[in-house]
Amino acid sequence: AQKITQTQPGMFVQEKEAVTLDCTYDTSDQSYGLFWYKQPSSGEMIFLIYQGSYDEQNATEGRYSLNFQKARKSANLVISASQLGDSAMYFCAMREGGGYQKVTFGTGTKLQVIP
Amino acid sequence: GAGVSQTPSNKVTEKGKYVELRCDPISGHTALYWYRQSLGQGPEFLIYFQGTGAADDSGLPNDRFFAVRPEGSVSTLKIQRTERGDSAVYLCASSLGVGFTDTQYFGPGTRLTVL
Repeated sequence: AQKITQTQPGMFVQEKEAVTLDCTYDTSDQSYGLFWYKQPSSGEMIFLIYQGSYDEQNATEGRYSLNFQKARKSANLVISASQLGDSAMYFCAMREGGGYQKVTFGTGTKLQVIP
Repeated sequence: GAGVSQTPSNKVTEKGKYVELRCDPISGHTALYWYRQSLGQGPEFLIYFQGTGAADDSGLPNDRFFAVRPEGSVSTLKIQRTERGDSAVYLCASSLGVGFTDTQYFGPGTRLTVL
């Protein structure tokens, strides 16, 4: 089974609107971290936001927030007030705490912001 | 402070040749990771180091791939007898520790093309 599933290969959003990028995960660990990265066409992976499995509040970082629903094993990224510079690939990733140290990435969602 | 750096940014080689890719992590980060990203895919884990030792090399595809980190800082990924299927972007990341809360920060990657 896939550990990280991103079901939206591509998304469009109007500039200044909000957009939600979906991510579901699969783990039997109680301790894990969820991460979102942005990868513009330049290729560099840019860290956006982190959510720990024990965090009770949804993480927020500026215009980014993470809608964490633990029971449903989902960790959707919400980008508010989209900007043209938000056009990029977005990857959801998970790091499990049970001695399994590597990070597993999803296949990504390509977001295009329309002026 | 300085981020993760990788050299070269681009490497073109011929099938059968040997290549070395270098990664310089963020100062003070004990963990270092190598990933491979093929076009349209998320990063795929190769190997990670905790200090000087390879703590998990389960992602290395075969024995043509090898990585070292002799002094616990800079790492080199070595590929022998390159094949066309090795063409990809090789990403390096580092993190302060290896807990599930530790964020990985990525370098700009090395684009390897095997002709």
